Amino acid sequence: DGGITQSPKYLFRKEGQNVTLSCEQNLNHDAMYWYRQDPGQGLRLIYYSQIVNDFQKGDIAEGYSVSREKKESFPLTVTSAQKNPTAFYLCASSIMVANTEAFFGQGTRLTVV
Amino acid sequence: AQSVTQPDIHITVSEGASLELRCNYSYGATPYLFWYVQSPGQGLQLLLKYFSGDTLVQGIKGFEAEFKRSQSSFNLRKPSVHWSDAAEYFCAVVDSGGSYIPTFGRGTSLIVHP
Repeated sequence: DGGITQSPKYLFRKEGQNVTLSCEQNLNHDAMYWYRQDPGQGLRLIYYSQIVNDFQKGDIAEGYSVSREKKESFPLTVTSAQKNPTAFYLCASSIMVANTEAFFGQGTRLTVV
Repeated sequence: AQSVTQPDIHITVSEGASLELRCNYSYGATPYLFWYVQSPGQGLQLLLKYFSGDTLVQGIKGFEAEFKRSQSSFNLRKPSVHWSDAAEYFCAVVDSGGSYIPTFGRGTSLIVHP
């Protein structure tokens, strides 16, 4: 089945540690996105990539980093510089056409203690 | 830059009642508009989309939405709500000017009373 897979579903880390969230898609989509979701704030764009080896900052990129070494993969690292990392993180992908929807993974809930 | 406003944070309806969730957008060119639904702890699923043609679009699960350019709105409706419709609903607009990045509203949480 084609789709987008995020892992793990739940992640716990101690404050000050970097953590990497995985996102893999087998839809052959060029574009991939990372969103952060907090209650009442909707989805806020962290980073996006439209081609391998290239990515752009979104609205809230500070404290995060990404890579796009393969078309299928777009991992997100939450660094110790992110002041409030506890949140629900969603990865999405799409083809580069305006009238098509984004496909979402099931999300990763990160809790930093 | 485009933006989406969902003015209602929470909506409570009784099962069987009709539903309308509001969405207003700000975008200079022809908007590409979407409604998604999210169950707790899950990703988002597409309900319907509009990009041209008939301004009343039908989606999955009995939902429909009407695009009104004069009001910059794309409201989601359902004539009779089921308890399983309780979820978070997001309106989104895609930048058709080249980046194709989806921008989401803050969401509306739908509560269904039996």
